[in-house]
Amino acid sequence: GAVVSQHPSRVICKSGTSVKIECRSLDFQATTMFWYRQFPKQSLMLMATSNEGSKATYEQGVEKDKFLINHASLTLSTLTVTSAHPEDSSFYICSAMTRTGSSYEQYFGPGTRLTVT
Amino acid sequence: GQQVMQIPQYQHVQEGEDFTTYCNSSTTLSNIQWYKQRPGGHPVFLIQLVKSGEVKKQKRLTFQFGEAKKNSSLHITATQTTDVGTYFCAVPSNAGGTSYGKLTFGQGTILTVHP
Repeated sequence: GAVVSQHPSRVICKSGTSVKIECRSLDFQATTMFWYRQFPKQSLMLMATSNEGSKATYEQGVEKDKFLINHASLTLSTLTVTSAHPEDSSFYICSAMTRTGSSYEQYFGPGTRLTVT
Repeated sequence: GQQVMQIPQYQHVQEGEDFTTYCNSSTTLSNIQWYKQRPGGHPVFLIQLVKSGEVKKQKRLTFQFGEAKKNSSLHITATQTTDVGTYFCAVPSNAGGTSYGKLTFGQGTILTVHP
């Protein structure tokens, strides 16, 4: 099956610093990747849609200048949390989309747990 | 955007008991997907339902899509401790029509199984 990796799996950073999270599709090409955020015992909230070769599309309420997304190749998307604050601490999950006929499937990365101190 | 209500939020069962989680939408869905997330893990795709009234089975799991394509259920027969986790439904973010990949997730049902 399709495999998506994320790096790092865990990161602790100080308030005010920036953190970059990588999402890679290992055995398939993904023109579209998605970034989600999940707080404890809550559902996944879509943050943005990352399209290869174009600007990301952000969901309402998500600051594009704070959460920088770069989809430089068909297998890599990065999310940079700039000037991180404790309220940014969360579980960040990416997914890569594949298409089978008329249906779309999303394969999720293992997630990155960010703690901002 | 598209919204979907999922109930119950929590379900505690004894091993061997059955379990069901439900998702409901106010609008007609083109499809609905189900995911399982183990504690500390990431969502794993289980299945996609597309047709009205569709029923699909995966071993002890039975997935149903309502006739009106506005609701769906996931039923687990004779739960095992390995079934522990959160079960999410997910629907296309653009109402009705063709899915372009964006998903809205239900609130999830956290299942605990007591041995």
